[in-house]
Amino acid sequence: EVQLVQSGAEVKKPGESLKISCKGSGYSFANYWIAWVRQMPGKGLEWMGIIYPGDSDTRYNPSFQGQVTISADKSISTAYLQWSSLKASDTAMYYCARHPYITGGSDYWGQGTLVTVSS
Amino acid sequence: EIVLTQSPDFQSVTPKEKVTITCRASQSIGSSLHWYQQKPDQSPKLLIKYASQSFSGVPSRFSGSGSGTDFTLTINSLEAEDAATYYCHQSSSLPDTFGQGTKLEIK
Repeated sequence: EVQLVQSGAEVKKPGESLKISCKGSGYSFANYWIAWVRQMPGKGLEWMGIIYPGDSDTRYNPSFQGQVTISADKSISTAYLQWSSLKASDTAMYYCARHPYITGGSDYWGQGTLVTVSS
Repeated sequence: EIVLTQSPDFQSVTPKEKVTITCRASQSIGSSLHWYQQKPDQSPKLLIKYASQSFSGVPSRFSGSGSGTDFTLTINSLEAEDAATYYCHQSSSLPDTFGQGTKLEIK
């Protein structure tokens, strides 16, 4: 069974750093793209970027480039999304999702990680 | 960036009704259009990939059509459990983009 299990909810202060994770199981993690998607409270879905764990080829949405870093460690079947300096506007639910192809749909999704940034 | 515009934004429907949601792309995206269902406090779930291909395990009342710039998600004989927000997603050109969502309320 394909599963993406994300790390737990986080509460952080502005300016703090954070790295959240997404662990895949039930398939060959290195051979499928992993996308990250933001959903701000009460809002729609925003595509942040995508990584191919096999060779760490990464593409960013220009709207998020420089604001976050996407990485992966195929040896432990885990993808990451990190911030070096959080802002209150980063408060959102973050989902990882598997893509069979870079041009494909997201066929399996993680349960989401809620990030709250508040002073 | 390709803009996807869904209509309607909100629809209140009765069980067994047929529902049609449209998604229009700002430029041609071929068939690289996918549909998701998101229920409150849940992750999105893939319903239709590449405009018309049903994803495994999705009830047959869900279907998709279209190509180029105009796409449709159809739900035949709506059930109460279909109350959710539906999103379209294009993967033809980076960055991927989503429609703004269509919220379905069941009367």
